[in-house]
Amino acid sequence: QSVLTQPPSASGTPGQRVTISCSGSSSNIGSNYVYWYQQLPGTAPKLLIYRNNQRPSGVPDRFSGSKSGTSASLAISGLRSEDEADYYCAAWDDSLSGRWVFGGGTKLTVL
Amino acid sequence: QVQLVESGGGVVQPGGSLRLSCAASGFTFSSYGMHWVRQAPGKGLEWVAFIRYDGSNKYYADSVKGRFTISRDNSKNTLYLQMNSLRAEDTAVYYCAKTQYGDYPRYWGQGTLVTVSS
Repeated sequence: QSVLTQPPSASGTPGQRVTISCSGSSSNIGSNYVYWYQQLPGTAPKLLIYRNNQRPSGVPDRFSGSKSGTSASLAISGLRSEDEADYYCAAWDDSLSGRWVFGGGTKLTVL
Repeated sequence: QVQLVESGGGVVQPGGSLRLSCAASGFTFSSYGMHWVRQAPGKGLEWVAFIRYDGSNKYYADSVKGRFTISRDNSKNTLYLQMNSLRAEDTAVYYCAKTQYGDYPRYWGQGTLVTVSS
């Protein structure tokens, strides 16, 4: 059971806009930044969004992040076949002695 | 460019030990914190441990606390993960990751597979 909750799957057709949610608590999302990672099949994770809504250089502006309270969302607009991947949210958690926590991951299928 | 190369994975019996290494290049290793993150076969990402740039602070997931030790040798640009008392549930690909300002995992290596099995 992951500390951050994501839907296990999401889907969309090319050109559509899809969103992936990430739900946490006051000790993680509620008080710290959220990060999003993309993992293409058979590869290492890649940073997609940092500090809630910032994109590293090289990440298309089709990807955007937002946060409200203890929840966050990743939006992908103009969906493309190469976006088919697993997506993970992550945050620092202030509880216990401190730890990083990940969501369980969302498998995005482009129909 | 940032390069992270993990090594040391393999097959080990339950109760055994293994030491993973992560050779870093392309950046000033001694200036950045480092993470270990693992992924069991067919499962999601699980954070394992974090060490600050100078080794002054270390953090561990509850699932590995007391069994795993993260360390670094800044003179060798290398990160380590000493894994003791290994269990079947420790079977996973282990990734090392370089942080960016704010201590989040920014760049990831390609991972090394650890299999705990008799």
